[in-house]
Amino acid sequence: GAGVSQSPSNKVTEKGKDVELRCDPISGHTALYWYRQSLGQGLEFLIYFQGNSAPDKSGLPSDRFSAERTGGSVSTLTIQRTQQEDSAVYLCASSLVAAGASTDTQYFGPGTRLTVL
Amino acid sequence: AQSVTQPDIHITVSEGASLELRCNYSYGATPYLFWYVQSPGQGLQLLLKYFSGDTLVQGIKGFEAEFKRSQSSFNLRKPSVHWSDAAEYFCAVGVSYGGSQGNLIFGKGTKLSVKP
Repeated sequence: GAGVSQSPSNKVTEKGKDVELRCDPISGHTALYWYRQSLGQGLEFLIYFQGNSAPDKSGLPSDRFSAERTGGSVSTLTIQRTQQEDSAVYLCASSLVAAGASTDTQYFGPGTRLTVL
Repeated sequence: AQSVTQPDIHITVSEGASLELRCNYSYGATPYLFWYVQSPGQGLQLLLKYFSGDTLVQGIKGFEAEFKRSQSSFNLRKPSVHWSDAAEYFCAVGVSYGGSQGNLIFGKGTKLSVKP
């Protein structure tokens, strides 16, 4: 079956513009995660969706960042008024959290490389 | 606070030599531990994971890792490195939310170079 897909693979934007990054998780996976990978900070958690529960937004670096997940599947990460420090690779992951299971593996997409000029 | 430390930023080994990548974690409860590998321009691929049970975990591509609670370590090993193993390796701990796994906390990564 298909893995996690992300689009676009590369995005170049100008400072101050808004961008939207898309993630298609593995079909049937109920949990979805966004991470950011940058040279200075390594891999950082951004936000986590689990089923119909309220998302865990504790990793979002500022209120310019937001994410939604429609219909429990596709997710969009939006960055408003982009800054140069937002340049990074944005990774999406999904996992199947079965009822009664306490742990599961996160499968990662290839990422979107965002460059803010 | 939870954290993961990979003390070695860059390691170079000769092809055929053995490999050990170090990982130390800080976590209050029983940790869920992972090793991922990232090749240039690629996403993260899971090598192996530890949830419970046997502390020596076997993974893909001939890798193994040993969980040592007393040392708060989860070091990755391979007896004989191949040139294709050149990549960046990330250790991670899974945060638990009421018994279910939440997000991962990653170490900074160790870049592995392989000499012919």
